[in-house]
Amino acid sequence: GAGVSQSPSNKVTEKGKDVELRCDPISGHTALYWYRQSLGQGLEFLIYFQGNSAPDKSGLPSDRFSAERTGGSVSTLTIQRTQQEDSAVYLCASRQASVQSYEQYFGPGTRLTVT
Amino acid sequence: AQSVTQLGSHVSVSEGALVLLRCNYSSSVPPYLFWYVQYPNQGLQLLLKYTTGATLVKGINGFEAEFKKSETSFHLTKPSAHMSDAAEYFCASTYQKVTFGTGTKLQVIP
Repeated sequence: GAGVSQSPSNKVTEKGKDVELRCDPISGHTALYWYRQSLGQGLEFLIYFQGNSAPDKSGLPSDRFSAERTGGSVSTLTIQRTQQEDSAVYLCASRQASVQSYEQYFGPGTRLTVT
Repeated sequence: AQSVTQLGSHVSVSEGALVLLRCNYSSSVPPYLFWYVQYPNQGLQLLLKYTTGATLVKGINGFEAEFKKSETSFHLTKPSAHMSDAAEYFCASTYQKVTFGTGTKLQVIP
């Protein structure tokens, strides 16, 4: 089946604008993660959804960042009033929660550039 | 709290030489351990994983890693580097939550 897909692949926006990044996980995967990868940095955890449970938002860097997951499938990461330091690659990953190995499947990422 | 440390943000090897990328974890309970590879402008792809059982794990593209509980290590190796191995490699551990290392960029010199 299809892997994790993300859109857009690239997004250039002006400082102060809002952006929405989309993630389509693998069908049947109940767990979904968002990460941020800045230039020269590792993966920074942002948020985690698991089924109908309340999401783990502990990694969101500020209240300008939010995410939702509709119907337990597609997820949208929203960044309001973007700042230049938000420029990064945003990666989404999903996994089958019933599998104990915790293996995550990653999408290709969205490269966000804030000018 | 668990953590993952990757020694060396950049590693260079000659084509045909041994590849050794180091990863140490910190966890009070032996976690599941992973190595992912990221090629330029792509997402992360699973190379191999350790869950239980055999401590020497073989992955794709000729890579393998050995779980050493006494050393809390999970180093990644490949006997002979190929140009196509040039990428960034991430070690990760999971015990309830996934923690990634900061990554090691592998350069292969012809």
